[in-house]
Amino acid sequence: DGGITQSPKYLFRKEGQNVTLSCEQNLNHDAMYWYRQDPGQGLRLIYYSQIVNDFQKGDIAEGYSVSREKKESFPLTVTSAQKNPTAFYLCASSRLQENTEAFFGQGTRLTVV
Amino acid sequence: DQQVKQNSPSLSVQEGRISILNCDYTNSMFDYFLWYKKYPAEGPTFLISISSIKDKNEDGRFTVFLNKSAKHLSLHIVPSQPGDSAVYFCAASARRNDMRFGAGTRLTVKP
Repeated sequence: DGGITQSPKYLFRKEGQNVTLSCEQNLNHDAMYWYRQDPGQGLRLIYYSQIVNDFQKGDIAEGYSVSREKKESFPLTVTSAQKNPTAFYLCASSRLQENTEAFFGQGTRLTVV
Repeated sequence: DQQVKQNSPSLSVQEGRISILNCDYTNSMFDYFLWYKKYPAEGPTFLISISSIKDKNEDGRFTVFLNKSAKHLSLHIVPSQPGDSAVYFCAASARRNDMRFGAGTRLTVKP
């Protein structure tokens, strides 16, 4: 079955530690994205990538980093510089063309204590 | 600065009636609009979309209307069913693959 896999579903980390969220897709999509969801604020774009070894900042990139070494993978690192890292993180992918929808993973709930 | 706005955080309708969810946007460069449905602790699933060259798109019980001059779109669900209860997100893109989302509207359909 084709799809997007995010792991783990729940993640706990101590304050001050970096943590990496995994996102893998087997849809052969060129574009991949990371969003963050907070209560009442919808989904906010963190980073996106349209091609291997290239990525762009979204609206709230500060405190996050990404890599795109393989087409199938787009891991997100939440660094200790992120002031409010506790949130629900969603990864998505899409074809690289106009007027196309993105497909989402099941999300990772990160809790920093 | 939110470029996509859903000003109604919640909506409650009776089963069988029409549900109307609204969305406004500020970026005149947006040319593609989408609606997603989301359940708690899951990723959003695509529902329906519309290109800026159209003003209406239908798919079964779901219809999206676009008013470019008002920078407004709406999603109509007729008839509403209890299984439609979820959070609905409006999204828009200005170029390929760079979507912005609204805050969402929680729809509750009562039996």
